[in-house]
Amino acid sequence: QLQLQESGPGLVKPSETLSLTCTVSGGSISSSNYFWGWIRQPPRKGLEWIGNIYYSGSTYYNPSLRGRVTMSVDTSRNQFSLRLSSVTAADTAVFYCAVVQGGYYFDYWGQGTLVSVSS
Amino acid sequence: EIVLTQSPATLSLSPGEGATLSCRASQSVRSYLAWYQQKPGQAPRLLIYDASNRATGIPARFSGSGSGTDFTLTISSLEPEDFAVYYCQQRSNWLWTFGQGTNVEIK
Repeated sequence: QLQLQESGPGLVKPSETLSLTCTVSGGSISSSNYFWGWIRQPPRKGLEWIGNIYYSGSTYYNPSLRGRVTMSVDTSRNQFSLRLSSVTAADTAVFYCAVVQGGYYFDYWGQGTLVSVSS
Repeated sequence: EIVLTQSPATLSLSPGEGATLSCRASQSVRSYLAWYQQKPGQAPRLLIYDASNRATGIPARFSGSGSGTDFTLTISSLEPEDFAVYYCQQRSNWLWTFGQGTNVEIK
C-alpha cells in the first residue's frame, strides 16, 4: 500500500513562495497511470483541489490558482513537489498530498501539513 | 467547471439511526463520483467510488447510489465512529472538484 508524507516549512511570509514536497513509499512514483495530487483545506473549511501531476509529467491545475501553481516530479527521490507563489493569508491551510490510481479518485492521502502565511 | 452541492450542511442524528446525504452536480458526471469521510485532525478517507462501490475495508453499512447529477450516500445505522464530515468529489475535463461537505454530528 502506498504511503505519502508531506514536508516543508510551516510558516511562509506574504508575497513569498510556498514549497512543499511529498515523499512516496511502498511504490514507485513512475507507476503508469497514476496522478499525484495536492489538496488544501483552510482552517474550519472544506477541501480544495490544487492540482495533479501525471506520472509522465503532465500537469492539471485548478483554474482559480493557475498562474501561481507549479508541480513537479523527482523520480530519483520518489517525490513530487508543489510551489505556490505570491501567497497571502488566504493561502493558510492544511496541505495534503494524495494519489489517484484509477484516474478519478484520491485513493491514498498523506497526513497533511499546516502552512501558515504570516509576517 | 462542474460544481458539486451537498445537502444538508449539517445532519444531527443519534447512534443507531440512518443517515442520508445528498450530492448534486451542476452537470452530469455519469457515475464518476466518490465519497470521502474526514474525522477531526485526520486526512480524508475514500469510502465510495464510481458512485456505488465501497473502497477496500469500508463497512457494508455505507452505501452509495445515483448517476448523472444526483447522488446519495447512505449510512444504514450510525456507529459512534461514523460521526464525521463527508465530502463528494468528481473529475471531469481533467479538473477535480469537491463538494462543500456535510457534517454528521451527534444529536
